[in-house]
Amino acid sequence: AQSVTQLDSQVPVFEEAPVELRCNYSSSVSVYLFWYVQYPNQGLQLLLKYLSGSTLVESINGFEAEFNKSQTSFHLRKPSVHISDTAEYFCAVRKLIQGAQKLVFGQGTRLTINP
Amino acid sequence: DTAVSQTPKYLVTQMGNDKSIKCEQNLGHDTMYWYKQDSKKFLKIMFSYNNKELIINETVPNRFSPKSPDKAHLNLHINSLELGDSAVYFCASSQDSLGTYEQYFGPGTRLTVT
Repeated sequence: AQSVTQLDSQVPVFEEAPVELRCNYSSSVSVYLFWYVQYPNQGLQLLLKYLSGSTLVESINGFEAEFNKSQTSFHLRKPSVHISDTAEYFCAVRKLIQGAQKLVFGQGTRLTINP
Repeated sequence: DTAVSQTPKYLVTQMGNDKSIKCEQNLGHDTMYWYKQDSKKFLKIMFSYNNKELIINETVPNRFSPKSPDKAHLNLHINSLELGDSAVYFCASSQDSLGTYEQYFGPGTRLTVT
């Protein structure tokens, strides 16, 4: 079975500070991992994804995540956050059921940036 | 311009009523999904359709009936609404059901059952 655990439900940080949002997954097969962001009162947007190849993946707004197979982790990091990064962040793993894919999401981490 | 759209955005109704939420995507995708986000922000898939055919049906009460008139639309009809149905419902689509393609989400429909 595949599942996703986000260890922190809330992460408050000061503006321009670094941040790490933790995500661990359990899977018995090769994994495809995703981070989605949900800004207040909006739908989810894909932030970045790991499918194969380089274990470090980056987004266009400065976030990065590293796939670590030995630790079964896919933590999200940003060296310096901005007020506009305030949002809910969801880690997800793709699961195949009878040839169809679905996303299994973690519980979400609310990132709050304080000035 | 909107890729995945849902109507209505907000829906307030009383217990026992029947309601529908509509979803449309203009991306030319083959696969569409319904997810439910509860009050604790937990997201879980409900259904998935590929080219108008049901391919994923999670453990969802049969009061929920999805309908796909064509591959650009996936509507969700809910009979005999209950308090526990209050949630945000998200529609999503992807290019197909098997690839590693990104899922694009709609803005959500906030359903409140009183």
